[in-house]
Amino acid sequence: NAGVMQNPRHLVRRRGQEARLRCSPMKGHSHVYWYRQLPEEGLKFMVYLQKENIIDESGMPKERFSAEFPKEGPSILRIQQVVRGDSAAYFCASSPGQKVEQYFGPGTRLTVT
Amino acid sequence: AQSVTQLGSHVSVSEGALVLLRCNYSSSVPPYLFWYVQYPNQGLQLLLKYTSAATLVKGINGFEAEFKKSETSFHLTKPSAHMSDAAEYFCAVTLGATGNQFYFGTGTSLTVIP
Repeated sequence: NAGVMQNPRHLVRRRGQEARLRCSPMKGHSHVYWYRQLPEEGLKFMVYLQKENIIDESGMPKERFSAEFPKEGPSILRIQQVVRGDSAAYFCASSPGQKVEQYFGPGTRLTVT
Repeated sequence: AQSVTQLGSHVSVSEGALVLLRCNYSSSVPPYLFWYVQYPNQGLQLLLKYTSAATLVKGINGFEAEFKKSETSFHLTKPSAHMSDAAEYFCAVTLGATGNQFYFGTGTSLTVIP
């Protein structure tokens, strides 16, 4: 059973470009979570999705950030018009349901130049 | 509100010595608590979890943690450190009954000295 997969592992974007981060949950998991990790900090929750639904986006910046988890295909975290402050590691996690442990992917390290 | 505090951002121990990584939490409802380990340039791996069953929880790689409600603590221990234990360790809390998001501490970097 493959774990949570994220791609790309490293992404470099110039200021103003768009960044698309992909996450494929573990087989059988229908709950996906996105977190952001800044240097020397812990992970900060961004958004929680189930298939085709955003359940909790309380951690998402109000502008430029969006997420989706379509019926088919991976979950996508999209950052429009990236700025240097968006440089971070973005982790996706999945779980088979609520109230259970989350399994993390290897992360996507975004660098904005 | 839920939060996690990890005391000590850096901990160094000698190989073979006791490992103690501290975690205190605040939660308005009975919490679920987790410890994760992160090796360089990798994602987080679950070490152990507390979900309101036994207060002493055993995890992988010889780690264990004890839930102490009176102290609102969930400290991680290992009797004898190994070089391969060097990593970043994160404590996390979620609402026991309706938890979605995890609240993570800022992490403790463990160094093991040969």
